[in-house]
Amino acid sequence: ETGVTQTPRHLVMGMTNKKSLKCEQHLGHNAMYWYKQSAKKPLELMFVYNFKEQTENNSVPSRFSPECPNSSHLFLHLHTLQPEDSALYLCASSQEGSYWYNEQFFGPGTRLTVL
Amino acid sequence: AQKITQTQPGMFVQEKEAVTLDCTYDTSDPSYGLFWYKQPSSGEMIFLIYQGSYDQQNATEGRYSLNFQKARKSANLVISASQLGDSAMYFCAMRAGRTGNQFYFGTGTSLTVIP
Repeated sequence: ETGVTQTPRHLVMGMTNKKSLKCEQHLGHNAMYWYKQSAKKPLELMFVYNFKEQTENNSVPSRFSPECPNSSHLFLHLHTLQPEDSALYLCASSQEGSYWYNEQFFGPGTRLTVL
Repeated sequence: AQKITQTQPGMFVQEKEAVTLDCTYDTSDPSYGLFWYKQPSSGEMIFLIYQGSYDQQNATEGRYSLNFQKARKSANLVISASQLGDSAMYFCAMRAGRTGNQFYFGTGTSLTVIP
């Protein structure tokens, strides 16, 4: 595997289900991110992890729970979601240092549908 | 408020012609970074080019160049010699904030290259 991988690629779940999205980066990066991409809306940054520590939580509802066990893996645990949570969830990683010019590398995303 | 604005929902360009995709940004932070990403129909976001707020020269990467006008707060992407494979969504993004951990994306521009 190379780059950033995400599983599953597609997920359909009911509002009472519990599911998890998985992201793995094979780039040796030290930062990982979760984004939500809804139709006709800007990409929304949800969570940021630097060196496994959560550094940003952009007012995301508690029904989304991130987990970063190490610098290569990132999970997004989902429970009691709402239909408006249906979106493409993108994971990204980057190598953070003293400068901001390091671009983010994105995974292919998980298309989530909440019924 | 930190914000990225892309005013062109859709653009068409003839193959082999050049095209400019507009992006304006708003931030009060003295340090920030500007990025352009390409998102094909497959969903994966692909990094294209970066411009730092203190960079004196416009960034270039192959057929991509960034027309950075700091006073106007604009960071337009120029694609020269368009190819059919350039058809995709294009997103302008800004990295800013005290810690540099805030990322803001525009709503995107859909580019279609016509043979």
